[in-house]
Amino acid sequence: ETGVTQSPTHLIKTRGQQVTLRCSSQSGHNTVSWYQQALGQGPQFIFQYYREEENGRGNFPPRFSGLQFPNYSSELNVNALELDDSALYLCASSLPRGDSSYEQYFGPGTRLTVT
Amino acid sequence: AQKITQTQPGMFVQEKEAVTLDCTYDTSDQSYGLFWYKQPSSGEMIFLIYQGSYDEQNATEGRYSLNFQKARKSANLVISASQLGDSAMYFCAMRELGVYDNDMRFGAGTRLTVKP
Repeated sequence: ETGVTQSPTHLIKTRGQQVTLRCSSQSGHNTVSWYQQALGQGPQFIFQYYREEENGRGNFPPRFSGLQFPNYSSELNVNALELDDSALYLCASSLPRGDSSYEQYFGPGTRLTVT
Repeated sequence: AQKITQTQPGMFVQEKEAVTLDCTYDTSDQSYGLFWYKQPSSGEMIFLIYQGSYDEQNATEGRYSLNFQKARKSANLVISASQLGDSAMYFCAMRELGVYDNDMRFGAGTRLTVKP
């Protein structure tokens, strides 16, 4: 176990609705990254938060937003849900960045279905 | 542009035999890291092995080894003595150092099935 937890495990939403996914990082990890993994594909980088500020973003529209809190928890918010947002959402926490070798510890993911 | 390429959608291996999962990557950075992750059906990504671009020796972690050929930009994962529990999706990933050195890019994955 990585010590990274995510909630909820599964979620079903309707197109146009808004959703909030939650992640609790390992204690001491001040960096959290979020990924979207569509069925049959590899994870795609959404964004990263470092010390409560966004610190890099992938090719995702502004309706994907996030928050990071001082207690090592974070949120991914998605507005105006679309059918293509159906995916497994993974968060990964890590120690302060240094060289490229720092390891990311992934949570079990939240499976979001948009109908 | 595709940064990580895994050309084997699925692979089969007999229990106790070795298997190689292919990965090629594309980068103009001199400093980067290469990772392999295992993803069982439960969904959690499990870190297996890491290779730095400046590492001269191939990385090894127990039954996992990484065949790093820098000039060819390949980073193949070798699993020795396959076990039934090795059946899973395997992803190759890369992180480049740069302004956004946090962006870990993943390949499409290889589904490994270990036969008894």
